[in-house]
Amino acid sequence: DAGVIQSPRHEVTEMGQEVTLRCKPISGHNSLFWYRQTMMRGLELLIYFNNNVPIDDSGMPEDRFSAKMPNASFSTLKIQPSEPRDSAVYFCASSWSPAGGETQYFGPGTRLLVL
Amino acid sequence: ILNVEQSPQSLHVQEGDSTNFTCSFPSSNFYALHWYRWETAKSPEALFVMTLNGDEKKKGRISATLNTKEGYSYLYIKGSQPEDSATYLCAFISGNQFYFGTGTSLTVIP
Repeated sequence: DAGVIQSPRHEVTEMGQEVTLRCKPISGHNSLFWYRQTMMRGLELLIYFNNNVPIDDSGMPEDRFSAKMPNASFSTLKIQPSEPRDSAVYFCASSWSPAGGETQYFGPGTRLLVL
Repeated sequence: ILNVEQSPQSLHVQEGDSTNFTCSFPSSNFYALHWYRWETAKSPEALFVMTLNGDEKKKGRISATLNTKEGYSYLYIKGSQPEDSATYLCAFISGNQFYFGTGTSLTVIP
């Protein structure tokens, strides 16, 4: 198995632009998680899905952030418009379980820099 | 705001030494505790998922224990090797929420 795949691996954009991050979970996993890592706040859970349905999005910072999972093998995290404070590493992870009872497998992350 | 604390923040040990660190979390509404190993510039790698009070898990030289009644988990590394150098992160899961500690940074000196 290729593991969790994220693209792009690096993204540099200007303030105000739309940014779309992509994630392909491990085949057969039914839960997908989006995390953000910053120096100030460490690792934060933004949103997670179970069977393609968003279960908890309380970690999404504000309306500029949106996430979708149109099918079991693909999810996007969109930031529109982007701001410099959105600069971070964004991780996607997948698991057999939505609620944390099973191992989560992390992707390599997308390093986002908003100028 | 739920507090998950890890101690110590950082640790330097000599190769061959055994070491341990702590993750403290609220003792109520426990669902699961995760331990991750996180090397610089890489992504977190799951070590253990612990769900029952008294759980003990082992993977090679690394083991972990769980006490949900008093709200702590210990991670032990026996005979530390330089390749064990990483940040060890715990996550407390309660309801639908995931709460991460800030990690213990371990450096093993050859």
